[in-house]
Amino acid sequence: GEDVEQSLFLSVREGDSSVINCTYTDSSSTYLYWYKQEPGAGLQLLTYIFSNMDMKQDQRLTVLLNKKDKHLSLRIADTQTGDSAIYFCAERTSNTGKLIFGQGTTLQVKP
Amino acid sequence: GAGVSQSPSNKVTEKGKDVELRCDPISGHTALYWYRQSLGQGLEFLIYFQGNSAPDKSGLPSDRFSAERTGGSVSTLTIQRTQQEDSAVYLCASSLSGSTDTQYFGPGTRLTVL
Repeated sequence: GEDVEQSLFLSVREGDSSVINCTYTDSSSTYLYWYKQEPGAGLQLLTYIFSNMDMKQDQRLTVLLNKKDKHLSLRIADTQTGDSAIYFCAERTSNTGKLIFGQGTTLQVKP
Repeated sequence: GAGVSQSPSNKVTEKGKDVELRCDPISGHTALYWYRQSLGQGLEFLIYFQGNSAPDKSGLPSDRFSAERTGGSVSTLTIQRTQQEDSAVYLCASSLSGSTDTQYFGPGTRLTVL
């Protein structure tokens, strides 16, 4: 079946790198996404990676995909207090439009 | 351009009442999705509309939940005879077309059932 797992909480100091991890079970996943949710707000798309890629970099964000281990990570370089939020990873399979979300990782950035 | 909009932003209702939640997708987006975010269940898919195809209703939790999309644009999610466990944030998303396009989310409707 489809399942996406994330650790629930991560705390870092401002200026450090943050790494948020995610594992998924569906080997037919085609796209994997990272969304950010700030308090009281909707989901903001951060980045995504297609399943035939290993890495994608977008400014301070680096996504790594290990398809063999079904492991996805999001690295945020030079983490700022404004990065404090809940980060959701999500998978989408090739035969359906729906996203399967992880539980979300709360990132706390300490000054 | 404008993003996905949802109304109302907050809805408080009494147990047993019916509620309607509205979603206006991004103009030109043919695919529309409803999700629910609750403390106990996280983010769950509810229903997916793509063009004129029959909707994917596989995520609807019970027959008290229904949704329609009129004219290929605005969608309404209806919950009949609301229960306390229906309390959640209901999120709508749209994408340009179907299963390969990025979904953009609205701000959500927070539903509280007393």
